[in-house]
Amino acid sequence: QVQLQESGPGLVKPSQTLSLTCTVSSGSISIGGYYWSWIRQHPGKGLEWIAYIYYNGYTYYNPSLKSRVTMSLDTSKNQFFLNLSSVTAADTAVYYCARVKAVANWFDPWGQGTLVTVSS
Amino acid sequence: QSALTQPASVSGSPGQSITVSCTGTSSDLGGYNYVSWYQQHSGKAPKLIIYDVSNRPSGVSNRFSGSKSGNTASLTISGLQAEDEADYYCTSYTSRSAHVLFGGGTKLTVL
Repeated sequence: QVQLQESGPGLVKPSQTLSLTCTVSSGSISIGGYYWSWIRQHPGKGLEWIAYIYYNGYTYYNPSLKSRVTMSLDTSKNQFFLNLSSVTAADTAVYYCARVKAVANWFDPWGQGTLVTVSS
Repeated sequence: QSALTQPASVSGSPGQSITVSCTGTSSDLGGYNYVSWYQQHSGKAPKLIIYDVSNRPSGVSNRFSGSKSGNTASLTISGLQAEDEADYYCTSYTSRSAHVLFGGGTKLTVL
């Protein structure tokens, strides 16, 4: 079954750009019918949807983060990416990637998550 | 964009049934049959347990069930077990610019 794995630096300095990669295995990100998404969870808090991208590159962003977020994908590597610019301590969170059923918006499966800390 | 509203916590004894509510508006939960529920054990990634209001993915126990009435969706767990102790989140599609709304999460304690 499809598996997702996040990777990227665990520590980012304030004002810099947070960059994460999600590698998808046992399934192609090039098929229709699914979005590929990033979600984050602040320590001890709930889930916050960040963005998702379709295989054709069309993106949808959470309005509260839209000015700082960019998603992209590389179908040749079966990977998709998150860039979050001008980070502050408030961006410290566990970042998850997940596959999303288009329209119905259910998230399955999820990656294991990666903790990103913003600190100097 | 407001999140969906869930109770912060619920509790129950082994063998009992509990229900977690998730309240939205007609622009999201009430307007579409696209409600999903997730179980998250401490330190783990969320797991899909209900999709499209009341459907269970393969492998999810039939002790978990979902429903919706108006602007409120519900997750019911019957025959509570110790392993059900976790956080539960609802999600809905929204016609507003946010596209996706998460509930604030409900902590289930099995007494």
